[in-house]
Amino acid sequence: GESVGLHLPTLSVQEGDNSIINCAYSNSASDYFIWYKQESGKGPQFIIDIRSNMDKRQGQRVTVLLNKTVKHLSLQIAATQPGDSAVYFCAENIMTSGSRLTFGEGTQLTVNP
Amino acid sequence: DTAVSQTPKYLVTQMGNDKSIKCEQNLGHDTMYWYKQDSKKFLKIMFSYNNKELIINETVPNRFSPKSPDKAHLNLHINSLELGDSAVYFCASSPPAFNYGYTFGSGTRLTVV
Repeated sequence: GESVGLHLPTLSVQEGDNSIINCAYSNSASDYFIWYKQESGKGPQFIIDIRSNMDKRQGQRVTVLLNKTVKHLSLQIAATQPGDSAVYFCAENIMTSGSRLTFGEGTQLTVNP
Repeated sequence: DTAVSQTPKYLVTQMGNDKSIKCEQNLGHDTMYWYKQDSKKFLKIMFSYNNKELIINETVPNRFSPKSPDKAHLNLHINSLELGDSAVYFCASSPPAFNYGYTFGSGTRLTVV
C-alpha cells in the first residue's frame, strides 16, 4: 500500500548548525502532515503539523515546508542543539477518511558538540 | 500527570504465553490506538477504537485482541506469543477534531524468548 517514506535514515550535524530532514510521500490524497520526534526510550512527540492548503508553517526553531507538486515534506531545525538528537518521523493523514496516521521510516538525527 | 500511560514498560516472556498491555488516557480523547514499532523503528498501526467501538483493525494476527472497557482505556491482549511479536507497542489517543495529531504513551517493550 501507499506509505510515507523518508530520505536518509541518518543525519549528523554540528551543534549550532541548521538541520533539514526530508520526507517523500506517495499518497496525493493526503491532506494533513505531522512531524514527530522520538527520543530514546520514549514515545513519539508532536513537533509541528501542516495542512495541505499551506506550503510553510513555522514554530519555535522549526519550520515545515510542504511541496505538493512533488509530494515532498521537510523539517528544518534552526541552531540544532544536542537535545534535538532523536529519530524524526513524518506522518500523513487523509482527514476525510478519519484519523489514521501513516508513518514514514524515520531519520536518526545526531548532533555533535 | 501522564496523559497516556501504558503498563508495563518492559515485558519479557516465553513463547506460547499469553500477556496483556494496559493503556489509559486522561485527556478526554474519544479515539485510542495501538501501534507496533519494529527493530527498524517503523511504526505501524494495529487497531483504533473510537468511544469503545473498533474502527481500524489492520492485518494483525487474531492472537492480538484489543479491548476497550471505556473510552479512556484500551488494552491489548496477546495469546500464544511468538518470537516475531517482540517489538515496542505504543498506545496513543486523539481528540475528535484531530488537531495536533496523536498523543503517544511511552511504549511497552515486549521481548519474547
